[in-house]
Amino acid sequence: DVKVTQSSRYLVKRTGEKVFLECVQDMDHENMFWYRQDPGLGLRLIYFSYDVKMKEKGDIPEGYSVSREKKERFSLILESASTNQTSMYLCASRPGQSSYNEQFFGPGTRLTVL
Amino acid sequence: QKEVEQNSGPLSVPEGAIASLNCTYSDRVSQSFFWYRQYSGKSPELIMSIYSNGDKEDGRFTAQLNKASQYVSLLIRDSQPSDSATYLCAVINSGYALNFGKGTSLLVTP
Repeated sequence: DVKVTQSSRYLVKRTGEKVFLECVQDMDHENMFWYRQDPGLGLRLIYFSYDVKMKEKGDIPEGYSVSREKKERFSLILESASTNQTSMYLCASRPGQSSYNEQFFGPGTRLTVL
Repeated sequence: QKEVEQNSGPLSVPEGAIASLNCTYSDRVSQSFFWYRQYSGKSPELIMSIYSNGDKEDGRFTAQLNKASQYVSLLIRDSQPSDSATYLCAVINSGYALNFGKGTSLLVTP
């Protein structure tokens, strides 16, 4: 079974703090994704990576950065957390470039910024 | 912006009935279609994928795809209270990332 893990289920941070969200997958998938999910807005793509050290902006990259130094690990960084970044953050991975490949999600991190 | 549209619901069906969830998409070149189930407070879980026109069955679930009309649907037969969740439709056009609808909330009443 595909396993996508995220470093924390719940996280509380202060405004202005630098926040790291970590995601690890164990199935050698090329593609990894970070989404945030908010009521009424659905899933919105923040960033994705299709290879080590490669990254692409999604729909809402402002205020975020990412790092992918190893194939299995994809980190989301909030350089200076703000209250409007309070959300559920979901990591996902998918193999290869075929559009037929399925995408799998981690358990999510509920981030609260005070 | 390529759209994936779903009725937000809630869709309420009695236990044992058929639940029908619908999704339309705007990009005609979309190739692959996925249905995810998401329980409250949990992450999305893949339940079905479909790539060709027609029906695909898996247990109580049937996915239907009509590329000419640009819609994909999910039927849940013999609905159970445990099926109560939000169902997300996802489409991949080109590139790497799935494009998600906002989901339909399903409530199965005993």
